Amino acid sequence: KQEVTQIPAALSVPEGENLVLNCSFTDSAIYNLQWFRQDPGKGLTSLLLIQSSQREQTSGRLNASLDKSSGRSTLYIAASQPGDSATYLCAVLEAGKSTFGDGTTLTVKP
Amino acid sequence: NAGVTQTPKFQVLKTGQSMTLQCAQDMNHNSMYWYRQDPGMGLRLIYYSASEGTTDKGEVPNGYNVSRLNKREFSLRLESAAPSQTSVYFCASRAPSGTGNQPQHFGDGTRLSIL
Repeated sequence: KQEVTQIPAALSVPEGENLVLNCSFTDSAIYNLQWFRQDPGKGLTSLLLIQSSQREQTSGRLNASLDKSSGRSTLYIAASQPGDSATYLCAVLEAGKSTFGDGTTLTVKP
Repeated sequence: NAGVTQTPKFQVLKTGQSMTLQCAQDMNHNSMYWYRQDPGMGLRLIYYSASEGTTDKGEVPNGYNVSRLNKREFSLRLESAAPSQTSVYFCASRAPSGTGNQPQHFGDGTRLSIL
């Protein structure tokens, strides 16, 4: 059974800081890994998707990496802003179904 | 573009009542999913449908049934609601891909409370 773990569960940083969120998974037979953002009481917004054959993807201030052999992914956020405050979820897709981590709740203080 | 549409957005039920949550997508996606999200947790897969006419159990299927009515619609039914099923329910869809390059697209969720 696939298990996905996100560390830390919560993170608070001052505005402008660079930060890294971690996601680990137990079974490396995945099709892709997707990072999402979720604001309180809202749905999920897709940030980045990394296919199993890829090492990283970038979008603006976000960079996601994937190391399938070690079962790890990181989401790097550069020059954090208060508007980045949200919960960040990672999910792995395998054989038609997804497994999510419990998320990291990020607070960026002005 | 509507994307993935879920109805209703909010619902309150009494224990033992039944209800169907509706989900429709207009992106011609083959795969559709139902998840639940409890406070402070990630999403857990209830059921999924890889294509029209097929459904499979996910991690937490007990107490639920699903119907893939056609390619667009995937409904989730609670036959006899229990307080433990109080949660936020999300529907998602995904285009077919042998390379894993297609993301999941999510609806806005249905907030369900069972008293």
